Amino acid sequence: SQTIHQWPATLVQPVGSPLSLECTVEGTSNPNLYWYRQAAGRGLQLLFYSVGIGQISSEVPQNLSASRPQDRQFILSSKKLLLSDSGFYLCAWQPGHDQPQHFGDGTRLSIL
Amino acid sequence: DQQVKQNSPSLSVQEGRISILNCDYTNSMFDYFLWYKKYPAEGPTFLISISSIKDKNEDGRFTVFLNKSAKHLSLHIVPSQPGDSAVYFCAAQKGNTGKLIFGQGTTLQVKP
Repeated sequence: SQTIHQWPATLVQPVGSPLSLECTVEGTSNPNLYWYRQAAGRGLQLLFYSVGIGQISSEVPQNLSASRPQDRQFILSSKKLLLSDSGFYLCAWQPGHDQPQHFGDGTRLSIL
Repeated sequence: DQQVKQNSPSLSVQEGRISILNCDYTNSMFDYFLWYKKYPAEGPTFLISISSIKDKNEDGRFTVFLNKSAKHLSLHIVPSQPGDSAVYFCAAQKGNTGKLIFGQGTTLQVKP
């Protein structure tokens, strides 16, 4: 069966520090991969998606970037974190179009 | 511009009764709709989906209804159980992008 792993579960970082969140999927090949952010009391906002290695699409202008160095690995990064980057970050994978996306357990990021 | 809206932030229901969660959308190009359930500090879990070519999909206690003319979908949970208490998100997908637009979520409380 397929599984998705996200780490770390929680992270506290100072303003201006770099960020790297990692997501890996097991048990499938060539999945669509997604990064979402959930701000407090809000729905999920799509940040990035990828349909293949090295293919990244950005949904909103922001202080973050994403990379897909391997088929089942998706990384969310920042060179210098802002206070507004705080939130709950979720990675998701999708086998193909018109199929549900499946989410990891998320990373709670707090910026001090 | 909120393309997917859940206008009820919260809903309280007695155990054994029906829970009805509502969702409205504005984009007639959406062709695939999903409901997710989310517990605090966890990623959303897929519940049920419906394609725009259908008006009803049922899976056990969960039924999703789609009214395309009204751009409205709803999730019915019968009978409701205390374990159903969580935040419920509806989501919509357009075409073959795989990108989901989420509503703000509705917190369901099922009282014993």
